Amino acid sequence: SQTIHQWPATLVQPVGSPLSLECTVEGTSNPNLYWYRQAAGRGLQLLFYSVGIGQISSEVPQNLSASRPQDRQFILSSKKLLLSDSGFYLCAWEFGLAGVAGELFFGEGSRLTVL
Amino acid sequence: RKEVEQDPGPFNVPEGATVAFNCTYSNSASQSFFWYRQDCRKEPKLLMSVYSSGNEDGRFTAQLNRASQYISLLIRDSKLSDSATYLCVVNNKDSSYKLIFGSGTRLLVRP
Repeated sequence: SQTIHQWPATLVQPVGSPLSLECTVEGTSNPNLYWYRQAAGRGLQLLFYSVGIGQISSEVPQNLSASRPQDRQFILSSKKLLLSDSGFYLCAWEFGLAGVAGELFFGEGSRLTVL
Repeated sequence: RKEVEQDPGPFNVPEGATVAFNCTYSNSASQSFFWYRQDCRKEPKLLMSVYSSGNEDGRFTAQLNRASQYISLLIRDSKLSDSATYLCVVNNKDSSYKLIFGSGTRLLVRP
């Protein structure tokens, strides 16, 4: 069966510090991978998605970047955090069926507070 | 206009009640529709897909109205454990089939 792991679960960072959130998927190959952010009381905002190693698409201009160094690894980074980066970050995967988005499987999320 | 719009609620209902949520979508090219459930401070999980003919899963019924561009979720005989936020999700070819999430409708079921 497939599993998704995301870490760290919670972190408190000062403004201007770097960030690295990691996500790995087990039990499947060539998944589509996603990073979402959910601000308090708001919906999910798609940040990045990837259909393969080294292939990253960004949805919105921001202070964040993403990388996919391996097939089942997705990393979200920032060089200098802003207060507005606070939120609940969710990694998700789906089976890599060409052209059709189906069910997304989410990690347990990383709650980031920037002070 | 948001691509997917939901009443944020909260809907506060007693146990055993029937409650319905609607969700409207703006893109007539939307092709797939889903309801996700998100518990407080947890990740979203798929509740059910929404088919053109409508579908039922136990106490939950989902309907799609393409002409009016809305989907609905009906929960019968509400349980305390149904308390959560329900997210309406659509995808369409224009967005490369990426899922677009609504902000969610919060449901509180009281004893």
